[in-house]
Amino acid sequence: DTGVSQNPRHKITKRGQNVTFRCDPISEHNRLYWYRQTLGQGPEFLTYFQNEAQLEKSRLLSDRFSAERPKGSFSTLEIQRTEQGDSAMYLCASSRRGGPELNEKLFFGSGTQLSVL
Amino acid sequence: AQSVTQLDSHVSVSEGTPVLLRCNYSSSYSPSLFWYVQHPNKGLQLLLKYTSAATLVKGINGFEAEFKKSETSFHLTKPSAHMSDAAEYFCVVTISGGYNKLIFGAGTRLAVHP
Repeated sequence: DTGVSQNPRHKITKRGQNVTFRCDPISEHNRLYWYRQTLGQGPEFLTYFQNEAQLEKSRLLSDRFSAERPKGSFSTLEIQRTEQGDSAMYLCASSRRGGPELNEKLFFGSGTQLSVL
Repeated sequence: AQSVTQLDSHVSVSEGTPVLLRCNYSSSYSPSLFWYVQHPNKGLQLLLKYTSAATLVKGINGFEAEFKKSETSFHLTKPSAHMSDAAEYFCVVTISGGYNKLIFGAGTRLAVHP
């Protein structure tokens, strides 16, 4: 168990630029989640995948956001035309075969801190 | 709808004294409740979870929480604080058996002084 890995750890970008984050879940974990955490708040759900299928997206995920998990392993989260309000910590989590509904434990990565100038 | 309210944004204790972090929840269904801890530059770690079994739940590192349905509370306690307990703590709710998203509270920052 090498843990959930997220890259980069920090990203500074200018408003209007596109950014992409990567998440490598724990090997053989079928479920993968993206959350966003702003300063002074708890994480908020963005989207999740069961293998390569994206099963749910939050209303927080505007059309500038897109997430993929092409082979059911690593996932990418892209933000197009970044805005200052996108500045946050983006967290990835994975679990073995399901999620909280199956009492599965989620394992979180350390996150990618995005700063939009 | 489900939500959690963490009643204190900051809690400060002396090493060796008890810790109490308060959480109230709102849920239309039988909730599953969790406490997570977040240390700087580390991923969120599950401390303990309640899933309709025993109302007193024991977790890692000496933490425990009691589910009180009549008070809609799920407070986190520890008899004796350690310096390494200093971190951000999140109370989390979801619905067991069909709802797959975690809903986090705003967090409580615990400071432990020597």
